[in-house]
Amino acid sequence: AQSVTQPDIHITVSEGASLELRCNYSYGATPYLFWYVQSPGQGLQLLLKYFSGDTLVQGIKGFEAEFKRSQSSFNLRKPSVHWSDAAEYFCAVGPTLSGNTPLVFGKGTRLSVIA
Amino acid sequence: ETGVTQSPTHLIKTRGQQVTLRCSSQSGHNTVSWYQQALGQGPQFIFQYYREEENGRGNFPPRFSGLQFPNYSSELNVNALELDDSALYLCASSLEGLAGVETQYFGPGTRLLVL
Repeated sequence: AQSVTQPDIHITVSEGASLELRCNYSYGATPYLFWYVQSPGQGLQLLLKYFSGDTLVQGIKGFEAEFKRSQSSFNLRKPSVHWSDAAEYFCAVGPTLSGNTPLVFGKGTRLSVIA
Repeated sequence: ETGVTQSPTHLIKTRGQQVTLRCSSQSGHNTVSWYQQALGQGPQFIFQYYREEENGRGNFPPRFSGLQFPNYSSELNVNALELDDSALYLCASSLEGLAGVETQYFGPGTRLLVL
């Protein structure tokens, strides 16, 4: 069964500093990969997704993620963090089968931003 | 804004009661998935509905049931509420297609507290 691991429960970065959130997945084939962000008390907003093609994908709010098959990773990056980026970030995997299939989420990484 | 709406936003129930949560999917979407997000955890898949039929189910007991209506809106019903059912319930809509996994867009969630 597929699984997603987000090794960092909580990360604190200074405003303006760069950010990398780690995500490792377990799946027998190439999965579809997603990053979602959740502000306190809110639902999930899609940041970016990888289906195929270029392994570096660009998302909203200046985020990008790189799919590395050899490392089973899909890390999220941002070159300069803003205070408004403070939130919970979830990596998710969806198997590459036809039709809609459920997403499997990691446990999330909480990002705090300090001045 | 994803166009996915959920009601109510918050709900307090007592053990043994029944609850119905509602979701209106994004215009043009024909598939609705429900997830349970316990405090400090990632969302867990409950079930999915496609064209008014259940199209997959996670590891949740039968007291969790659902419906999808002809306009693709959906309900999640939980009978015999237990304390552990306290969580944020998220609805996600997507468009079933032949191309494989489609992006799921989430609503803001309903926060359920069981006392």
